[in-house]
Amino acid sequence: GENVEQHPSTLSVQEGDSAVIKCTYSDSASNYFPWYKQELGKRPQLIIDIRSNVGEKKDQRIAVTLNKTAKHFSLHITETQPEDSAVYFCAASIGGTSYGKLTFGQGTILTVHP
Amino acid sequence: DGGITQSPKYLFRKEGQNVTLSCEQNLNHDAMYWYRQDPGQGLRLIYYSQIVNDFQKGDIAEGYSVSREKKESFPLTVTSAQKNPTAFYLCASGGGLNQPQHFGDGTRLSIL
Repeated sequence: GENVEQHPSTLSVQEGDSAVIKCTYSDSASNYFPWYKQELGKRPQLIIDIRSNVGEKKDQRIAVTLNKTAKHFSLHITETQPEDSAVYFCAASIGGTSYGKLTFGQGTILTVHP
Repeated sequence: DGGITQSPKYLFRKEGQNVTLSCEQNLNHDAMYWYRQDPGQGLRLIYYSQIVNDFQKGDIAEGYSVSREKKESFPLTVTSAQKNPTAFYLCASGGGLNQPQHFGDGTRLSIL
């Protein structure tokens, strides 16, 4: 089955710096890659997603890039703010009959210091 | 997201007891999912259902059971066969074409 590796496990930055989190996946059939943000004790919330027919997607301070050849995708957060502190999860999914069956990475704890 | 309701928020299980976690959605989503989250770890898929009266095992289905009698409801039973049930359980719905998965607030299960 699909395997998703996420790095780093923890990331500490100063407010205003950029943060980058990277994920690799094993199944070349994966074609949907969402990113979730989870604050302590709360539900994961979708922050951005990308499909395999797109190489990059941006939403204000957040961007995701996808390299299908290398089977990796990354989350970029610019101008970080203390409220960006949370756990971030990447995930991958295969289309077709198993569309939506997500495999998650282990998570990255992002801390933004004021 | 307000359309997915999980209950209870906290649940305690005695040894040898089965407990059922509720998940209801009013988003008209076809697909529903149950995940388990352990401290410091990612989410692991327990069961999922893409249509009423049908469901499939995920990666860690042993010790769990589900039913999908209505589109809106996907309850999860943690049976006595699950020897390490302490975790945060998250229900999600969506996941079809152009339908990202959205999560409920979760149920935290502990052993008495």
